[in-house]
Amino acid sequence: DQQVKQNSPSLSVQEGRISILNCDYTNSMFDYFLWYKKYPAEGPTFLISISSIKDKNEDGRFTVFLNKSAKHLSLHIVPSQPGDSAVYFCAASAGGNEKLTFGTGTRLTIIP
Amino acid sequence: GAVVSQHPSWVICKSGTSVKIECRSLDFQATTMFWYRQFPKQSLMLMATSNEGSKATYEQGVEKDKFLINHASLTLSTLTVTSAHPEDSSFYICSATAGFLGYSNQPQHFGDGTRLSIL
Repeated sequence: DQQVKQNSPSLSVQEGRISILNCDYTNSMFDYFLWYKKYPAEGPTFLISISSIKDKNEDGRFTVFLNKSAKHLSLHIVPSQPGDSAVYFCAASAGGNEKLTFGTGTRLTIIP
Repeated sequence: GAVVSQHPSWVICKSGTSVKIECRSLDFQATTMFWYRQFPKQSLMLMATSNEGSKATYEQGVEKDKFLINHASLTLSTLTVTSAHPEDSSFYICSATAGFLGYSNQPQHFGDGTRLSIL
C-alpha cells in the first residue's frame, strides 16, 4: 500500500526553466510534508517542508504547494540549474509523529 | 547545522558475521533517530525508530533480533546487523531529529548511508 506516490519516475528540464515535481498521497491523516534531494550513494538532503495549515511555502528557488482537497503537493524549482539534477523524494508524516512515509522518487535531469 | 554522520560508508563481509553501523548527530542533540533501508531504484523504507534511553520501535516485518538498535546517548545510535546473509545486502541510512516523538514537526536530517554487501 503506497501511501505516498510520485507517478513520474523521471523528468528532464532545460536549464533556466521551471521544474515541477509532483506527489500524491492517500492518507488524510498526513499533516506535514517534506521534499528531499538525493544523489547516488548519499543520504537525502532536506530541501523544504510545509504544514497542512499552509498551502504554500517558499525558500529561495524552491516553492512547495499543497492542495489538501486533492491530496497533492508539488515542488517548483525556478530557475533550474545543472546542480539540481538528482532524485527527489516527497515524504509525509501525521499528527506530530515524525515517522516519515516516502514516495518512490523522481529523477530530475537538468539539460544545459 | 544539523549534520548527521554515518560510519562506515561501505562494508563488505562474509555471510554469518555481524556488522555495526554508527549514526552520530554532530551539532545537535538527537532525541529521535530513524533507520531506513533502500533497495536499488526503490524508496526508503523505515526499519525502526528509536528514542534516546528507550527501546526501539520496529516496523512490521523487521526482525528486531536481526537488526539490533541501540540509542544510548543523544548523539549516537547504532544498528547491528547480526549474522548477516546475502539478502541483508542493501543501503542503510540513518536520520536524526531534535524533536521528541509526538511533540512537533521537525525535518529529519540524514547521514550519507552505508552500503552493506554480504558475500
